[in-house]
Amino acid sequence: SQQGEEDPQALSIQEGENATMNCSYKTSINNLQWYRQNSGRGLVHLILIRSNEREKHSGRLRVTLDTSKKSSSLLITASRAADTASYFCATDDTGFQKLVFGTGTRLLVSP
Amino acid sequence: DAGVIQSPRHEVTEMGQEVTLRCKPISGHNSLFWYRQTMMRGLELLIYFNNNVPIDDSGMPEDRFSAKMPNASFSTLKIQPSEPRDSAVYFCASSFRGAKGEDTQYFGPGTRLTVL
Repeated sequence: SQQGEEDPQALSIQEGENATMNCSYKTSINNLQWYRQNSGRGLVHLILIRSNEREKHSGRLRVTLDTSKKSSSLLITASRAADTASYFCATDDTGFQKLVFGTGTRLLVSP
Repeated sequence: DAGVIQSPRHEVTEMGQEVTLRCKPISGHNSLFWYRQTMMRGLELLIYFNNNVPIDDSGMPEDRFSAKMPNASFSTLKIQPSEPRDSAVYFCASSFRGAKGEDTQYFGPGTRLTVL
């Protein structure tokens, strides 16, 4: 079963706008990761945030984590058409090496 | 590094036939994962190996599915006999657990399986 639930399920914006995706999870975690999947491709790791961190930046990406609410958000600033993809959050299964992926947000960035 | 390699990229077969999917993980990685992705069920973990040993196969749907990892550089996922409901994209991923217990998974390009 999937632990993470992303919302919205789909998001459509114009180039240059910011895109925000949210992820909620159910159990305690050591870290949370975000992945991107372009159509027809495998998932690609974007960023990892540890449970003792509240915010992390990587280029145009900003991730926040609120462990009290068991939620995370991914912000993509100044979006580009090339950012069109599905975005998944993934949480580690504490004590194990496997990840549990959410349902994903489909982002469409129009030129 | 070439990344995770999967073969074949596409497979079309008829119901009842045996299907074998192959994966070569990134050299040096100690964990390997098999996932299945469909529109209806999303991304599902089928099985994962650590140091070539199966750790959790609770996601394997039924006895028709089996996976092996005979060595650190090769794994197979076999479906016998295949059924139309097995049609999906199957991904292999590998990872190496870092000093802080963090695992970033690297995915292969996937095998798109169609069972007629």
